[in-house]
Amino acid sequence: GEDVEQSLFLSVREGDSSVINCTYTDSSSTYLYWYKQEPGAGLQLLTYIFSNMDMKQDQRLTVLLNKKDKHLSLRIADTQTGDSAIYFCAESKGANNLFFGTGTRLTVIP
Amino acid sequence: DAMVIQNPRYQVTQFGKPVTLSCSQTLNHNVMYWYQQKSSQAPKLLFHYYDKDFNNEADTPDNFQSRRPNTSFCFLDIRSPGLGDAAMYLCATSHEQGHDHFGPGTRLLVL
Repeated sequence: GEDVEQSLFLSVREGDSSVINCTYTDSSSTYLYWYKQEPGAGLQLLTYIFSNMDMKQDQRLTVLLNKKDKHLSLRIADTQTGDSAIYFCAESKGANNLFFGTGTRLTVIP
Repeated sequence: DAMVIQNPRYQVTQFGKPVTLSCSQTLNHNVMYWYQQKSSQAPKLLFHYYDKDFNNEADTPDNFQSRRPNTSFCFLDIRSPGLGDAAMYLCATSHEQGHDHFGPGTRLLVL
C-alpha cells in the first residue's frame, strides 16, 4: 500500500532556503505533488513532477526526485514570511487517487 | 476566474442531526472528490465521482454519502454526524487524470 512520510516541522529564517523532504513507498507512483495549505484554507497546488523526471524548477521552487530512494524534496529559495504554511507531499498513479503525506509545517522567522 | 466553491465555509450541526455540505465548480471538470481532513492530519479521500460513476473508498463510513446531480455540483451528506466527524471537508476537481484543484474547504463543528 501507499505510505507517504514527511517531517512535521521546519523553521527557517527569512531569506534563507527551505528544504522540505518526503519519502514514499509506492514505486509505481506516476506523479508526485507539492501542495501548500495556509491556515483555515484549502490546498493550493504548488508544483508537481512526473516520475520519469529527476528535477523541476519553477521560479523559487525546485523539486528533486530520487526515484531509487523514493525521496522527493521541495526547495524554496529566498523564503518569505508569506511562505509560512503546511506543505503536503502527495503521490498518485494517475488514477484519481491522491495519497498525502502528513504535512510539514514551515515557520519563517522574520 | 474558474474555480471550486464550497458553501458554507463553516458549518455547525448537532450530534445526530443530518447535514449537507455543497461544492460547485466552474472548471467543467469531469471528476469531483470529497476529502476529510482532521486537525493536524493529511487529507483523506472519502469518495469521488468520475462523471456520474460513484467510487467509494473502502474505509469510508456508511454515514457519509454523496450526490452529484450534474457536472457542476457535488454534495456530501452526513446522515448522523458524530463528534468524530468534526473536520475540514475539502472538495476537489480534476479533468480526467489531471491534477486536483481544491476548494477552500468547509469546517464542520459537531456539538
